[in-house]
Amino acid sequence: KNQVEQSPQSLIILEGKNCTLQCNYTVSPFSNLRWYKQDTGRGPVSLTIMTFSENTKSNGRYTATLDADTKQSSLHITASQLSDSASYICVVSALTNAGKSTFGDGTTLTVKP
Amino acid sequence: EPEVTQTPSHQVTQMGQEVILRCVPISNHLYFYWYRQILGQKVEFLVSFYNNEISEKSEIFDDQFSVERPDGSNFTLKIRSTKLEDSAMYFCASSEGDRGNQPQHFGDGTRLSIL
Repeated sequence: KNQVEQSPQSLIILEGKNCTLQCNYTVSPFSNLRWYKQDTGRGPVSLTIMTFSENTKSNGRYTATLDADTKQSSLHITASQLSDSASYICVVSALTNAGKSTFGDGTTLTVKP
Repeated sequence: EPEVTQTPSHQVTQMGQEVILRCVPISNHLYFYWYRQILGQKVEFLVSFYNNEISEKSEIFDDQFSVERPDGSNFTLKIRSTKLEDSAMYFCASSEGDRGNQPQHFGDGTRLSIL
């Protein structure tokens, strides 16, 4: 069964600090991995998308990495801001059913002043 | 920047009634999706739609559910004979294509409350 596991479940950091969120998956055969940011009461917003051949992708202060061999990804947030407080969701799609994505439970990040 | 818009933002319906959730995808997008998120749980895929046909659906998307694109702009999710457990946030999304590097753009969802 395709699964996506994220850690930690929640994280509290001080404004300006960096943090790294983890995602492990068992989706196979792998097509792509996406990181989304979901603010409370809003829809998810795409941060990064990585396919099999990509092992890093940046979007401003967000940098995602992918190790397709170990089936792990990380999302690194640099110089955190209060507006980074949100849920960060890892989503993985398989080649055989690309539209049928598997979502992780998300990591709830709280950035405090 | 173009957005996916969903209406209504909140729908309250009596159990057993039919409900239609509406979405206007981004205009040049060809692939459309519905997801649901039960309070406190992860987002779950319901269905994907392309070229006026369902391309994939999950186990959740049973005969109670249907989708259509009636007029070339709206994309609707119909739930017949709603149950209490249908209470959730329903998100619509659209994308230009279904290749791995093309993002899905989500609306802000419709909160469905079944009484």
